Amino acid sequence: DQQVKQNSPSLSVQEGRISILNCDYTNSMFDYFLWYKKYPAEGPTFLISISSIKDKNEDGRFTVFLNKSAKHLSLHIVPSQPGDSAVYFCAASGDSGAGSYQLTFGKGTKLSVIP
Amino acid sequence: EAEVAQSPRYKITEKSQAVAFWCDPISGHATLYWYRQILGQGPELLVQFQDESVVDDSQLPKDRFSAERLKGVDSTLKIQPAELGDSAMYLCASSNNPGDGELFFGEGSRLTVL
Repeated sequence: DQQVKQNSPSLSVQEGRISILNCDYTNSMFDYFLWYKKYPAEGPTFLISISSIKDKNEDGRFTVFLNKSAKHLSLHIVPSQPGDSAVYFCAASGDSGAGSYQLTFGKGTKLSVIP
Repeated sequence: EAEVAQSPRYKITEKSQAVAFWCDPISGHATLYWYRQILGQGPELLVQFQDESVVDDSQLPKDRFSAERLKGVDSTLKIQPAELGDSAMYLCASSNNPGDGELFFGEGSRLTVL
């Protein structure tokens, strides 16, 4: 059973426009939600996160929105740049027991920003 | 800038052979994770260490996989014998505050089993 779902395997956006990546989760016990960016042949790198007590977090061109009632979060990139082309993973963190915090990842969305 | 070091970057082996991957986390990070990422999927946790102790290895196929972090610093993940389905990227990550979910990943070790 997939606890974190990214239903769009890929997304193409024109340079300068907004990119919106979506993510749904099923586990109500998740405390933090994160987005990671991954280039080919590299490990994922942390991009932005949001605590479950907030509904929005902004960092430069990147904004994450959290809708707890819908168990949905989204990442907005404005304006999109060609260097943003990568695979974006949605991840959720929660105590899996005895203080063991782990990340559960979605399958990823490949973003292509077209110049 | 501190990084998580992994080796080898690439490993090609035949099925039934043994393989080993090494990880050196960021200095001072007590929590270390091994993840496996199959092509087209998200990373999946194999094992989590807190210092030298295993916190969670419930997803580790223990009949063929083993992991250790003897001195609570670097770690080794071993597969013996390797199977075709083990072909994947093996990612090591470390954290100094697992509660906020921010993990620092290494570049990964790409395993191909022939």
